[in-house]
Amino acid sequence: DQQVKQNSPSLSVQEGRISILNCDYTNSMFDYFLWYKKYPAEGPTFLISISSIKDKNEDGRFTVFLNKSAKHLSLHIVPSQPGDSAVYFCAASGSGEAGTALIFGKGTTLSVSS
Amino acid sequence: GAGVSQSPRYKVAKRGQDVALRCDPISGHVSLFWYQQALGQGPEFLTYFQNEAQLDKSGLPSDRFFAERPEGSVSTLKIQRTQQEDSAVYLCASSAGTGEYEQYFGPGTRLTVT
Repeated sequence: DQQVKQNSPSLSVQEGRISILNCDYTNSMFDYFLWYKKYPAEGPTFLISISSIKDKNEDGRFTVFLNKSAKHLSLHIVPSQPGDSAVYFCAASGSGEAGTALIFGKGTTLSVSS
Repeated sequence: GAGVSQSPRYKVAKRGQDVALRCDPISGHVSLFWYQQALGQGPEFLTYFQNEAQLDKSGLPSDRFFAERPEGSVSTLKIQRTQQEDSAVYLCASSAGTGEYEQYFGPGTRLTVT
């Protein structure tokens, strides 16, 4: 049973518009969430994270929102650029302690057209 | 660069052969993780080291999988008597240590068992 779910396998947006990637989780013990970006034939690259004590974290064009009551988080990219085209993975910290395994969703492929 | 490196990048093995996959973490990083990523899936945890101690090996799929990190730096993941279902990308990640949630990934080793 998947503890981290990314229900949209793919998303297409136009350059300059907002991209919204969604993630749901089932384990209320998760206390830290991360987004990774992956290009073909490369490893995942850390993008942005959020602690469960916050509901928003912003870094440049990237903002992550956390809704603990709904067990839902989202990544907003504004404005989207063609170079953002990649697979985006949502991940959660598994046991409430740093230094332990991350649990990943299956990923969402974002395509940004110019 | 000073990122995580893995070798080989690609490995083709005949069913029944043993393979060894190497990971060089970021210098000074205490924590090291191995993940397995099947096609179309997110990375799945295999094992975790803190320095040379293997603290969690709950994700290793069978006793054919063995990992070590004898000096607390470089790690090797060994798969004995490879099977077709072992075909996947094997990712190594490191993090600075306890208190640090962000993990930094290498490019992965794509293993194909024929």
